[in-house]
Amino acid sequence: SYVLTQPPSVSVAPGQTATIICGGNNIGSKSVNWLQQKPGQAPVLVVYADKDRPSGIPERFSGSNSGSTATLSISRVEAGDEADYYCQVWEGSDDYVGYVFGTGTKVTVL
Amino acid sequence: QMQLQESGPGLVKPSETLSLTCTVSGDSISRSGFFWAWIRQPPGKGLEWIASISFGGDTDYNPSLKSRLSMSLETSKNQFSLTISSVTAADTAVYFCARDNFSRGGFPTDLWGHGTLVTVSS
Repeated sequence: SYVLTQPPSVSVAPGQTATIICGGNNIGSKSVNWLQQKPGQAPVLVVYADKDRPSGIPERFSGSNSGSTATLSISRVEAGDEADYYCQVWEGSDDYVGYVFGTGTKVTVL
Repeated sequence: QMQLQESGPGLVKPSETLSLTCTVSGDSISRSGFFWAWIRQPPGKGLEWIASISFGGDTDYNPSLKSRLSMSLETSKNQFSLTISSVTAADTAVYFCARDNFSRGGFPTDLWGHGTLVTVSS
């Protein structure tokens, strides 16, 4: 099945930009969603369809997708952004129909 | 505002069958454009998609679990359910029910329940 790879951790100082990558074979041809999960809580959708934000999600969260890498950027990082972030795609191929999650990236705010 | 709430046994013995139910409130489970999903997260690990079911009852299962899964809708109760047979310790996880939004690009899982911890142990 399709595999999505993320770095285990990213550290960023407050006010700076956090960049989280999600690698997959020709991921640029797919539509990528991003979820934020804080400890003990359910995930929350922060970006869908590569770059769209649900209502209520700050503009500081932005996404892009091209080639073999999708990217979630968090600008002007705040302490409250510290969380695990997962990329997600829906895969519909001959051998797999369903969702695939990335391995997850823990964002630490220094 | 739609909300989802999982219910389950908490503790299941190895080799037994795990049954989980998700109750949807605030809107009808039969609304078109939405699929309904189960996702799990073992302690300290990442998210794993288990299965999804359409408003019409069509199912998709994770191939790695498919032989042990059954998912169903009960529209009269606005609920959907999951059973996993022959459980082992590897099935210990927080189980989330969720909504897959097929009316949005990317078909994002955009609404989640709080999750319920299921432990498999004798």
